[in-house]
Amino acid sequence: QVQLVQSGAEVKEPGASVKVSCKASGYSFSTYAVHWVRQAPGQSLEWMGWINAGNGNTKYSQKFQGRVTMTRDTSANTAYMELNSLRSEDSAVYYCARGTAAHFDIWGQGTLVTVSS
Amino acid sequence: QSVLTQPPSASGAPGQRVTISCSGGSSKIGNNYVYWYKQLPGTAPKLLIYTNNQRPSGVPDRFSGSKSGTSASLAISGLRSEDEADYYCAAWDDSLSGVLFGGGTKLTVL
Repeated sequence: QVQLVQSGAEVKEPGASVKVSCKASGYSFSTYAVHWVRQAPGQSLEWMGWINAGNGNTKYSQKFQGRVTMTRDTSANTAYMELNSLRSEDSAVYYCARGTAAHFDIWGQGTLVTVSS
Repeated sequence: QSVLTQPPSASGAPGQRVTISCSGGSSKIGNNYVYWYKQLPGTAPKLLIYTNNQRPSGVPDRFSGSKSGTSASLAISGLRSEDEADYYCAAWDDSLSGVLFGGGTKLTVL
């Protein structure tokens, strides 16, 4: 079936980087964009940006510009999101989602990232 | 603070009808489609309504969406215990060239 499976939970120290993967199956990976959305504990959803899985073009939220990098490996049907210079406020569940604009029809299960010294 | 405004909470008894509102400016809801997501605790959001008022396959027709001007609403009729969840609206923002989510509404079934 169509699904996105994300990598496991991570614990990082402040200032470090984290890279989360999102493996697609059940559909033509290059045909759809992959978006990244995060959710801090008890908070709403926050859009981080997206990558065109076909040509690799990206668009990042201004909030994360300069600190986030989204890439993809079409041979592995996998998208990646790397966030640098982590701080405690980045502790959240990070989701990948397939879609266009605000239309996200398939979501990954989420990856918990904890930033703590 | 989310730029799409939702009430933080809503409630209703089983069988009743509840509505959840979502408001935003012309560059957001006014010029773009609205989407609704349902999130159960500890799980990923699930698409509930797309392009203002369409239901994906498998979503019961108890759920309906509407949009007027710069506001949108999600209506749930025949409320059931399994409807208890957090609900989020979302829309594209032309001025930011990005996606905005509402602050979320926690629905309690009394």
